[in-house]
Amino acid sequence: AQKITQTQPGMFVQEKEAVTLDCTYDTSDPSYGLFWYKQPSSGEMIFLIYQGSYDQQNATEGRYSLNFQKARKSANLVISASQLGDSAMYFCAMRNSGGSNYKLTFGKGTLLTVNP
Amino acid sequence: DAGVTQSPTHLIKTRGQQVTLRCSPISGHKSVSWYQQVLGQGPQFIFQYYEKEERGRGNFPDRFSARQFPNYSSELNVNALLLGDSALYLCASSLYVGQTFDGQFFGPGTRLTVL
Repeated sequence: AQKITQTQPGMFVQEKEAVTLDCTYDTSDPSYGLFWYKQPSSGEMIFLIYQGSYDQQNATEGRYSLNFQKARKSANLVISASQLGDSAMYFCAMRNSGGSNYKLTFGKGTLLTVNP
Repeated sequence: DAGVTQSPTHLIKTRGQQVTLRCSPISGHKSVSWYQQVLGQGPQFIFQYYEKEERGRGNFPDRFSARQFPNYSSELNVNALLLGDSALYLCASSLYVGQTFDGQFFGPGTRLTVL
């Protein structure tokens, strides 16, 4: 069974600084995808970034980058130059390529607060 | 283009009642998934439908059911509501299905409160 672990219930960062949100995963499937979503207080899940298990390079999308360490089964999200609007819940999620490929499995999330 | 839409936005029901939640996917997307998010937790998968067929079901009781219509919109039904069904119900649509990159795009959710 696949599992996502986010060990940081909450994180604080100063505006304009970088922050790393941790995510570790567990799966026996050699092919999988890792996702990060942002959920503001309004509730909508906003897709941020994707990393495939066979991708050679770490994914980047603007101020977001994914620090993918396959051997350690970690997929940490790095947000550079934090902005006040980055304050939200952040979820790490995974999809396998095997029999349960129809679903995303989510972690419990990390609440990020950006201070001015 | 419009994103995923869900209705209603908020809903208050009492125990034992039945509820129907609705979702319209992004135009061109044929797959719809439903997730339940209890306060303080990550979303939990309930159902996925593709081309009107159920492709997957999460660990939820038979009180939960869903269907997908020819226009790819979907309904989630929950019977005999319990207090524990209070949650944010999220609908996600995707273009592809069955691939590791199945970029699911979520709607704003329906917040259900069971009293």
